[in-house]
Amino acid sequence: KQEVTQIPAALSVPEGENLVLNCSFTDSAIYNLQWFRQDPGKGLTSLLLIQSSQREQTSGRLNASLDKSSGRSTLYIAASQPGDSATYLCAVSDSNYQLIWGAGTKLIIKP
Amino acid sequence: EPEVTQTPSHQVTQMGQEVILRCVPISNHLYFYWYRQILGQKVEFLVSFYNNEISEKSEIFDDQFSVERPDGSNFTLKIRSTKLEDSAMYFCATNGQGFNEQYFGPGTRLTVT
Repeated sequence: KQEVTQIPAALSVPEGENLVLNCSFTDSAIYNLQWFRQDPGKGLTSLLLIQSSQREQTSGRLNASLDKSSGRSTLYIAASQPGDSATYLCAVSDSNYQLIWGAGTKLIIKP
Repeated sequence: EPEVTQTPSHQVTQMGQEVILRCVPISNHLYFYWYRQILGQKVEFLVSFYNNEISEKSEIFDDQFSVERPDGSNFTLKIRSTKLEDSAMYFCATNGQGFNEQYFGPGTRLTVT
């Protein structure tokens, strides 16, 4: 059974720093991996999708990498801003296309 | 930009009542999903729907739950007899191909009292 783990559970950094969020999964047979952002009490905003054949994807200050064989993905945020404060979730899509989710990393960017 | 919409945004119901949560998918999408998130917990898969039938369902999706696409546009999740533990945020998602990015609606917050 696929398990998705995100470390750390919470992270607080000063504004301007670069940071890395980690996601690991137990079964490498995935179709894709998505990173999402969730603000308190709000919905799920898709940030990046990496297909299983890809190694990384970039969008603005965000870069996501995928190492399928080792069951790991990272989300790199450059030059962090207070507006980046949110919970970041990763989810992997299995052969049935359902997304299996991590518990998230709560990120606080201090001004 | 096309988006997934959900109604209502918040539903309060009494235990034992039936609720129907509605989703309007992006128009050319063929795969539909429901997920839920209990406050403070992980997002959980409930069910996937393709070609007018359920593709996959989780252990959570028991006989109290059903889905349908009654008019070719709306995609609904019905809970027949709500329980306190059904209180959660329910998210609808859709995509054009199963392996593509899933697009999420804003969610319906269900509160069962």
